[in-house]
Amino acid sequence: DAGVTQSPTHLIKTRGQQVTLRCSPKSGHDTVSWYQQALGQGPQFIFQYYEEEERQRGNFPDRFSGHQFPNYSSELNVNALLLGDSALYLCASSGGVWVTETDTQYFGPGTRLTVL
Amino acid sequence: DAKTTQPTSMDCAEGRAANLPCNHSTISGNEYVYWYRQIHSQGPQYIIHGLKNNETNEMASLIITEDRKSSTLILPHATLRDTAVYYCIVRPYNTDKLIFGTGTRLQVFP
Repeated sequence: DAGVTQSPTHLIKTRGQQVTLRCSPKSGHDTVSWYQQALGQGPQFIFQYYEEEERQRGNFPDRFSGHQFPNYSSELNVNALLLGDSALYLCASSGGVWVTETDTQYFGPGTRLTVL
Repeated sequence: DAKTTQPTSMDCAEGRAANLPCNHSTISGNEYVYWYRQIHSQGPQYIIHGLKNNETNEMASLIITEDRKSSTLILPHATLRDTAVYYCIVRPYNTDKLIFGTGTRLQVFP
């Protein structure tokens, strides 16, 4: 049973460019969340997708956008990259139609984005 | 959102029990305590969660105090592979948005 997968593993971009990161959820999961983890910090919640719509959003600017496809996979897009966007971007998936207190998120290995 | 407080770092000898404390004094009655760990540059790994009863699985035990204001994650026989940053998280009600702090860096030594 494949877990959460993310691509690419590493990415280098320059300021002002745009980037797209991809995530495939764990089998049987239909909800995808994205997190940003700066060096030395804990992950910070960006947003969550369920039924192809953004369900929750953290404190991130509109430069960060996402998409979920009918097969539950998801993309994270970041426009007008800044040096401060350099981070590990993590995708997490969870399952079930209803969000319950016991729904557990499982994380992928992450994509390391470096902005020069 | 309830906040958690954890020690910055801890050491543990291989083969001994590692006891990682967490304070969450503002937790609400319907909020769960979750523990994840992150080995260097990998994605966080789910360990265990609980509401008010003690929980045990193949990885660890979770002890929650009766007033629910603190908890302890116990790794019964730490190995070198348990060296990681351990995050204690209080999950807000009716959401699976996780709010991470800076965690405890556990170093297991031979």
